[in-house]
Amino acid sequence: SQKIEQNSEALNIQEGKTATLTCNYTNYSPAYLQWYRQDPGRGPVFLLLIRENEKEKRKERLKVTFDTTLKQSLFHITASQPADSATYLCALTGPGGSYIPTFGRGTSLIVHP
Amino acid sequence: DARVTQTPRDKVTEMGQEVTMRCQPILGHNTVFWYRQTMMQGLELLAYFRNRAPLDDSGMPKDRFSAEMPDATLATLKIQPSEPRDSAVYFCASGQARGLAGNEQFFGPGTRLTVL
Repeated sequence: SQKIEQNSEALNIQEGKTATLTCNYTNYSPAYLQWYRQDPGRGPVFLLLIRENEKEKRKERLKVTFDTTLKQSLFHITASQPADSATYLCALTGPGGSYIPTFGRGTSLIVHP
Repeated sequence: DARVTQTPRDKVTEMGQEVTMRCQPILGHNTVFWYRQTMMQGLELLAYFRNRAPLDDSGMPKDRFSAEMPDATLATLKIQPSEPRDSAVYFCASGQARGLAGNEQFFGPGTRLTVL
């Protein structure tokens, strides 16, 4: 069955460092992958989308990589700030025009001042 | 500033009661999703509409849950009868499907449901 894995343990880093979050998947051939941010008590907020034929996508301090051979996406936040503390979810959408994403459980990021 | 709205924000009810949650998607969006989020299961898809037509509700317990879009500005999720295991946060999300270009979703603030 399809499986999406994100590290369930919180990632603690110091302000100014680069945070790297991982999304691994199995039994899946996603057409594209998305990353969302979720703050406590709020709905997820879209951050970035990367397609299967793209290796890397950047937006300001955010960078996403997508390796379909390794079946892995990495999400980087450079020069991290305490305001970046949140839970980050990856979501995969399969091929064939389906717009139905499957979400991972998310990884909590805590940036210490 | 367009956003998805959901009502109610919080709902506490007793087992066996009917619960109706409402969502107003962003004007012009043609896809609507209902999700349920719990600590144990994460974010689970319950129903998916495109151009108001239900395309996928395989994640929804059919015996007690129902989802509808009576018009383009309103989506509803109903639970009848509710059970304690339905306690969760229910999110509605909308998006604009554009061919195979991908479809970012805009989530509402959620309805926190507690069934006693």
